[in-house]
Amino acid sequence: KNQVEQSPQSLIILEGKNCTLQCNYTVSPFSNLRWYKQDTGRGPVSLTIMTFSENTKSNGRYTATLDADTKQSSLHITASQLSDSASYICVVSAGPNTGFQKLVFGTGTRLLVSP
Amino acid sequence: DGGITQSPKYLFRKEGQNVTLSCEQNLNHDAMYWYRQDPGQGLRLIYYSQIVNDFQKGDIAEGYSVSREKKESFPLTVTSAQKNPTAFYLCASSIGSRAGPDTQYFGPGTRLTVL
Repeated sequence: KNQVEQSPQSLIILEGKNCTLQCNYTVSPFSNLRWYKQDTGRGPVSLTIMTFSENTKSNGRYTATLDADTKQSSLHITASQLSDSASYICVVSAGPNTGFQKLVFGTGTRLLVSP
Repeated sequence: DGGITQSPKYLFRKEGQNVTLSCEQNLNHDAMYWYRQDPGQGLRLIYYSQIVNDFQKGDIAEGYSVSREKKESFPLTVTSAQKNPTAFYLCASSIGSRAGPDTQYFGPGTRLTVL
């Protein structure tokens, strides 16, 4: 069964600190892995997308890593800001890397950045 | 949220009534999707459409119907047959790439509550 598991479920950090969110997946065949940020009551916004051959991708203060051998990914947030408070969702795409891709969504990590 | 709009933001419905959720995009995307989000669960695919006048069932299509008469519009009808319709509904669109990862862009969502 295709599954994406994220940890921790929730996290509280102080403003300015760094944090790392984890994602483990059992999705086959693997196509790509995405991280989305979702503010409360809003739609998810794409942060990064990585294919099998990529092991790191950055978007500003967000850096995602991918280890396709261990089927793990992490999202590192540097120098956190209050606006980083949101849910972060790991999404793995199953199937071919072209055309329609079946997405398997994790349940998300809810991050709260405290002043 | 890009160029995707969903309306209304909040919707209340009595049991036994059908209701239609609107989704419009001005991104000239070929593909459109409907997801359902429930607390503690990952997003689940209801229906998707890769081209005008064509759509396919997702993982949880029972009790829902869609149409794709125009490229920019993909309305979702929640019928009285849907057993547990209270949820947050997200519409998304993508280019429908034939040559690489295809990022989905999400709308702001509609929260449906059945009274």
